[in-house]
Amino acid sequence: DIQMTQSPSSLSASVGDRVTITCRASHSISTYLNWYQQRPGKVPKLLIYGASDLQGGVPSRFSGSGSGTDFTLTISSLQPEDFATYFCQQGYGAPRTFGGGTRVDIK
Amino acid sequence: QVQLVQSGAEVKKPGASVRVSCRTSGYTFTVYDLNWVRQATGQGLEWLGWMNPNSGHTDYAQSLQGRVTMTRDISTSTAYMELSGLTSEDTAIYYCARDSDYTHAFDIWGQGTMVTVSS
Repeated sequence: DIQMTQSPSSLSASVGDRVTITCRASHSISTYLNWYQQRPGKVPKLLIYGASDLQGGVPSRFSGSGSGTDFTLTISSLQPEDFATYFCQQGYGAPRTFGGGTRVDIK
Repeated sequence: QVQLVQSGAEVKKPGASVRVSCRTSGYTFTVYDLNWVRQATGQGLEWLGWMNPNSGHTDYAQSLQGRVTMTRDISTSTAYMELSGLTSEDTAIYYCARDSDYTHAFDIWGQGTMVTVSS
C-alpha cells in the first residue's frame, strides 16, 4: 500500500497569511494526487486534482504542485472561510489512501 | 445537478450488519466509479473500497475484506455498502463519493450516514 504523510498535522495562521501544506507519498505516484478541504461538520470538498488542476468553483488562491513523491498545497492569502482541515489522497493505485490531515486554525 | 443522497443514521448492536444506500442523480450512473469512505469522530478519512456500477466489479480495503460488500441497482441508480460483524471500531460517518476520472479524485460526495455501534 502507498502511505501518504502530511505535514504539519496542524498550524495556526492569520487572515492574509500564505500557507503551505506538504504531502509525501511512500512510492512515486506521478501526479495522481488530490487535495480536499473539510470544514467542521461538513462533507469533504475536492480542491485540487492531478496535483495541480483547480476544481471548478475553487478560488484561485488555492494552488497545488509536485510530482513523484512530494507535493504541496498553497493558500496564497488565507481567508476566514479557509480555516478547515485539509487532506491529500493518492489516486495512483488501490487502496486510495489519504493523508492524516492538516488542521488550519486561526492564530 | 449531480447529487448523491445517502440513507439515514443507523444504530446497531455489536455483531450486527448495516446497509447504507447512496442514490445518485444528475449523471449517468454507469459511467463513473463509486467509492466508500468513512470517518470516525475527530479522525481522518479511511477509504473502504470502490465499485464499477457498470460491471459490478469491486475492490475492497484489505482491512475490511470479508466484512464489506458493495452492490448496485442500475434501475434506480443506487449503490449500496453493507458491513457485517460490526464492532465499536466501525462507529463512524460513512460517505459515498463519485470517482471523477483517471486521477481518481472524488468530485461529488454524499451527505454522509452516521453509523453507531453500541450495545
